[in-house]
Amino acid sequence: KAGVTQTPRYLIKTRGQQVTLSCSPISGHRSVSWYQQTPGQGLQFLFEYFSETQRNKGNFPGRFSGRQFSNSRSEMNVSTLELGDSALYLCASSLGGLRTYNEQFFGPGTRLTVL
Amino acid sequence: GQQVMQIPQYQHVQEGEDFTTYCNSSTTLSNIQWYKQRPGGHPVFLIQLVKSGEVKKQKRLTFQFGEAKKNSSLHITATQTTDVGTYFCAAPRDQGGKLIFGQGTELSVKP
Repeated sequence: KAGVTQTPRYLIKTRGQQVTLSCSPISGHRSVSWYQQTPGQGLQFLFEYFSETQRNKGNFPGRFSGRQFSNSRSEMNVSTLELGDSALYLCASSLGGLRTYNEQFFGPGTRLTVL
Repeated sequence: GQQVMQIPQYQHVQEGEDFTTYCNSSTTLSNIQWYKQRPGGHPVFLIQLVKSGEVKKQKRLTFQFGEAKKNSSLHITATQTTDVGTYFCAAPRDQGGKLIFGQGTELSVKP
């Protein structure tokens, strides 16, 4: 079974630009979560999508948004990029459903650098 | 707010020595998960603990969940160079959503 894939793997943007990151979950997984990883803040939850609906959201500004498509693929968008948005963005998929503590399968991440 | 504290932040050991990382929560947890992230890699699920006082073993790794379900530990016996990486504990967010992660313990093993 193919794992979680994320594109692109690396991205360099400048302040003020916007960016879209893509995630394809493991086949059959309906829940997709996004995390931001930085050396200072560690791994922080951004949001979770299940069946095309945002089910939960972390404490990030509105510049961070996402969506999920009918095939469970998900995209994350960051608008008006700031230097502090430089991070590794990880997507994780799980079976979803009512149990919110399913094992998370992480993708390789997208390394975003904002100049 | 909800916090999951993990110590130590770094641990340097000689190959063959034991290693332990501790995770403490400000609230009672329904369960706790452990992940390992190799340098340059992504977190990989190791195990989930659900029951009070639960102990699980995976070869040289021993995972414990405290009686009060507020703390957990991961112990590695006789470390090897393949154990290098950052070990994270993670617990369900009180506010819903997936996981809140501890800061991680970075393990380096000197051969």
